Amino acid sequence: DTGVSQDPRHKITKRGQNVTFRCDPISEHNRLYWYRQTLGQGPEFLTYFQNEAQLEKSRLLSDRFSAERPKGSFSTLEIQRTEQGDSAMYLCASSSWDRGPAGANVLTFGAGSRLTVL
Amino acid sequence: TQLLEQSPQFLSIQEGENLTVYCNSSSVFSSLQWYRQEPGEGPVLLVTVVTGGEVKKLKRLTFQFGDARKDSSLHITAAQPGDTGLYLCAGVATSGTYKYIFGTGTRLKVLA
Repeated sequence: DTGVSQDPRHKITKRGQNVTFRCDPISEHNRLYWYRQTLGQGPEFLTYFQNEAQLEKSRLLSDRFSAERPKGSFSTLEIQRTEQGDSAMYLCASSSWDRGPAGANVLTFGAGSRLTVL
Repeated sequence: TQLLEQSPQFLSIQEGENLTVYCNSSSVFSSLQWYRQEPGEGPVLLVTVVTGGEVKKLKRLTFQFGDARKDSSLHITAAQPGDTGLYLCAGVATSGTYKYIFGTGTRLKVLA
């Protein structure tokens, strides 16, 4: 297993363009998370999936953001009509299901996709 | 609204010094985790604390979960340059979900 993979690692785009990021989680993990992180700050929750179901989405997300996990494996995060404020690192993480208390599962993160909007 | 506040936000110390990082909330957490993140990488889990009052040690790192399960601390003894990084606490505040909320982060720099 190669861990969580994210693609592309870096993306530079012009304001108004659409971008899509892909995340390939650890194969046996059924939960997949997307976070946004700006320099020196903690990751900000965007959304998470359990298998193919999107269970929660941050109210901070505008309609320009959409995430999918069509077959319960890889996931995509699309940002439409990008704005300069969208510039950030987009992190994906996955975790397995177990019977432990919520919050005790290990989140395994990818290295992130850095977006720069000019 | 950020539910987990960390302090200090930045910390620059000399090698060999001790330090403590705090993670505070007004919400009760079933468990709290601590992660470390290095530049260009995703966060990596250090520890999970589950029981109120629990203390866990990981070599020179000591983690404590508050009795009321609203706060946690990370103490590093004899810091080394390899400890440099962004330290993050995280937890699930809402029962019935697996939505992990991260703290505001503490950036630590240990000078040789």
